[in-house]
Amino acid sequence: DAKTTQPPSMDCAEGRAANLPCNHSTISGNEYVYWYRQIHSQGPQYIIHGLKNNETNEMASLIITEDRKSSTLILPHATLRDTAVYYCIVKGYSTLTFGKGTMLLVSP
Amino acid sequence: GAGVSQSPRYKVAKRGQDVALRCDPISGHVSLFWYQQALGQGPEFLTYFQNEAQLDKSGLPSDRFFAERPEGSVSTLKIQRTQQEDSAVYLCASSLDRSNQPQHFGDGTRLSIL
Repeated sequence: DAKTTQPPSMDCAEGRAANLPCNHSTISGNEYVYWYRQIHSQGPQYIIHGLKNNETNEMASLIITEDRKSSTLILPHATLRDTAVYYCIVKGYSTLTFGKGTMLLVSP
Repeated sequence: GAGVSQSPRYKVAKRGQDVALRCDPISGHVSLFWYQQALGQGPEFLTYFQNEAQLDKSGLPSDRFFAERPEGSVSTLKIQRTQQEDSAVYLCASSLDRSNQPQHFGDGTRLSIL
């Protein structure tokens, strides 16, 4: 599976949009981009996934560039409860391979 | 709604003891996965079941680790002769199948070996 690169940490003010970037320049054609988050002492929570089209659900939006080499997870109105480690994972027909993720801190 | 349930939530054992960790997947989910998460790290894959068949156990760190899913639903991860380096959070996840359906995780069992 392709590797991903994420910033180690980001800050966001409560109520503002949080935009979390991910680079996956070696992604291949059949690999999906998945996003999970993990709040302290809980298991990873699935957020969203996509192949090449932008996706939106009740939690977030996923924007994938046309060349599929990078993506952005958007939390439109961040709350304090969105403070967590966010993992961007590229996955084909295999298991999930987690990196170190981005620690998002949402502040009042 | 019923998510993935793991028990016990916490387990303390003395070095050398055997432990068994249980996972109840989401009803109807064919695929089941076990992960190990060390402190400050992301989860790492241990093993994968499709129904009762263990199709991938490449991530199991040693032959002291054994997993089973005899009836294709509940799974047990067993660690024999535990060692201090086995201390970690053990996470279970399930999905409808192994294609591009997302995996849904339980909250894990935190294992501490004294």
